[in-house]
Amino acid sequence: EVQLVQSGAEVKKPGESLKISCKGFGYNFAIYWIAWVRQMPGKGLEWMGIIYPGDSDTRYSPSFQGQVTISADKSISTAYLQWSSLKASDTAIYYCARRLISGGSAWYFDDWGQGTLVTVSS
Amino acid sequence: DIQMTQSPSSVSASVGDRVTITCRASQTIGTCLAWYQQKPGKAPQFLIYAASTLQSGVPSRFSGSGSGTDFTLTISSLQPEDFATYYCQQACSFPRITFGPGTKVDIK
Repeated sequence: EVQLVQSGAEVKKPGESLKISCKGFGYNFAIYWIAWVRQMPGKGLEWMGIIYPGDSDTRYSPSFQGQVTISADKSISTAYLQWSSLKASDTAIYYCARRLISGGSAWYFDDWGQGTLVTVSS
Repeated sequence: DIQMTQSPSSVSASVGDRVTITCRASQTIGTCLAWYQQKPGKAPQFLIYAASTLQSGVPSRFSGSGSGTDFTLTISSLQPEDFATYYCQQACSFPRITFGPGTKVDIK
């Protein structure tokens, strides 16, 4: 069974750094793109960016370019999302999601992690 | 970016009702569209891709249609477990992938 298991909830102060994780189980992690999606409190879904763990090819939504860093370590089947200096507006649930491999050139996401709640407050 | 809109933003319905949700793209996207279901406190679940292909394991009461700029998600006979928020997603304008704002289906 495919599973994406994310790290636990975080409470941070503005200006602090943070790295959250997403570990894949039950499939060849290296050959599936992993995306990150933000959901601010009571709001909809926002696509942030994506990484191919096999070679760490990474693409960002223009809205998130320079705001976060996506990385992966295929040897431990884990993708990461990190911030160097958090803001209160980064408070949200962050989901990782696996790209559907049979979707051709389209970018669909068939399996999702359970989400990581990040709260940034002074 | 391709903007996605959904209507209605919310709908109240009863068990057994037929429910239709509309998604519109600001420019043509062929059939590069997916639908997701999200229940409160849970991650989104993948329902439909390529506008009309049902993901494995998704009940057949869900169906999708459309191409170009206008798409629909239909639930033929609403079940108690279907009360949730539904999002469309355009899937081909990479890396500018965008979701619709969501349609909440709640109990009448």
